[in-house]
Amino acid sequence: SQQGEEDPQALSIQEGENATMNCSYKTSINNLQWYRQNSGRGLVHLILIRSNEREKHSGRLRVTLDTSKKSSSLLITASRAADTASYFCATTDSWGKLQFGAGTQVVVTP
Amino acid sequence: NAGVTQTPKFHILKTGQSMTLQCAQDMNHGYMSWYRQDPGMGLRLIYYSAAAGTTDKEVPNGYNVSRLNTEDFPLRLVSAAPSQTSVYLCASRYRSYNEQFFGPGTRLTVL
Repeated sequence: SQQGEEDPQALSIQEGENATMNCSYKTSINNLQWYRQNSGRGLVHLILIRSNEREKHSGRLRVTLDTSKKSSSLLITASRAADTASYFCATTDSWGKLQFGAGTQVVVTP
Repeated sequence: NAGVTQTPKFHILKTGQSMTLQCAQDMNHGYMSWYRQDPGMGLRLIYYSAAAGTTDKEVPNGYNVSRLNTEDFPLRLVSAAPSQTSVYLCASRYRSYNEQFFGPGTRLTVL
């Protein structure tokens, strides 16, 4: 079974706009991670946020975590065509098991 | 470092045949995992291993793994079924709380 669920399933925006996607999970976690997968290519790690952190930044990425609501959000600011990809959240439990959601497909048009 | 390598890249099997998908990493990572990725389903965890000599199964039947050493984590399909048609991704990470690195995947078709 999958731990996380991303929302929305698909997102279409124009270059320069911000993109926000959410992830909800079911059980307690050690950390939450976001990954990107470009069409036909491998998964690349974007950012990791620990369960005791509430917000983290990396370049144009901002991640928040609310453990009371079991949810996280990923914000991509000033999006570019190269940001077109599928984005997955993944959670690590206390046993070290890393499970992924179904992903959000983001399309950025010029 | 080669990172996480997987072989083969593509393969076609007939129902009932068996096959081993190879995965290796040269980063001295303790954790290794196998996922399958199907359209619209994201990644589903099949097996993971926290260290050489230990494995943990996530999905029932159809698959076996071994972790005899740190580097290798082969996945065996015992008697292939069409439902096992998928892209199989192997991944590794140093500790449970580290980022995970993925291999390029094996695209498997079972006829």
